[in-house]
Amino acid sequence: AQSVTQLGSHVSVSEGALVLLRCNYSSSVPPYLFWYVQYPNQGLQLLLKYTTGATLVKGINGFEAEFKKSETSFHLTKPSAHMSDAAEYFCAVSDRHSGGGADGLTFGKGTHLIIQP
Amino acid sequence: DAGVIQSPRHEVTEMGQEVTLRCKPISGHNSLFWYRQTMMRGLELLIYFNNNVPIDDSGMPEDRFSAKMPNASFSTLKIQPSEPRDSAVYFCASTARGLAGYEQYFGPGTRLTVT
Repeated sequence: AQSVTQLGSHVSVSEGALVLLRCNYSSSVPPYLFWYVQYPNQGLQLLLKYTTGATLVKGINGFEAEFKKSETSFHLTKPSAHMSDAAEYFCAVSDRHSGGGADGLTFGKGTHLIIQP
Repeated sequence: DAGVIQSPRHEVTEMGQEVTLRCKPISGHNSLFWYRQTMMRGLELLIYFNNNVPIDDSGMPEDRFSAKMPNASFSTLKIQPSEPRDSAVYFCASTARGLAGYEQYFGPGTRLTVT
């Protein structure tokens, strides 16, 4: 069974500082990996994903994440935080099926990002 | 594209009543997912469909929950009878073959309150 661990339910950074949100996963096969963002009272929006190929992936709003198989990690970073980045961030995994076909997502508990002015 | 459409956006009902949540996936998407979000349990997969066929309903909490997808453009999640512990935000998401990693697009959610 898959699982996702997000270290830190709340992370607070100053505006302009580096953002680092941690995600570790466990999966029996190399998974697809995702980061989603959720603003208050809204649905989830995809920030970025890793499927195959380059392990450093870039997403929207200046975010990027690096897939490290040896560490089973997929940490999310942004060089300089904006006030508008304040939101809930979810790391998620899904299985690759040998026969193809979509699979459900397993989510971490989420990290609430707070930006201090 | 209108995105994933869910209705109603808010539902308040009394314990014991039947509740039906509705979802219209993005046109052309062939997989549909229902998730539930609560403070205690976070985001949980309830059930998903590929090509209108239920693939995995192991996340459906009890027999009180049922889901259908009668065609490619419509799905329902029904709770009968509803209980206060069913209060949550319910999300529908869809994806398509050909999207790398089968990235899922989420609807705005239905906030259900059972009193």
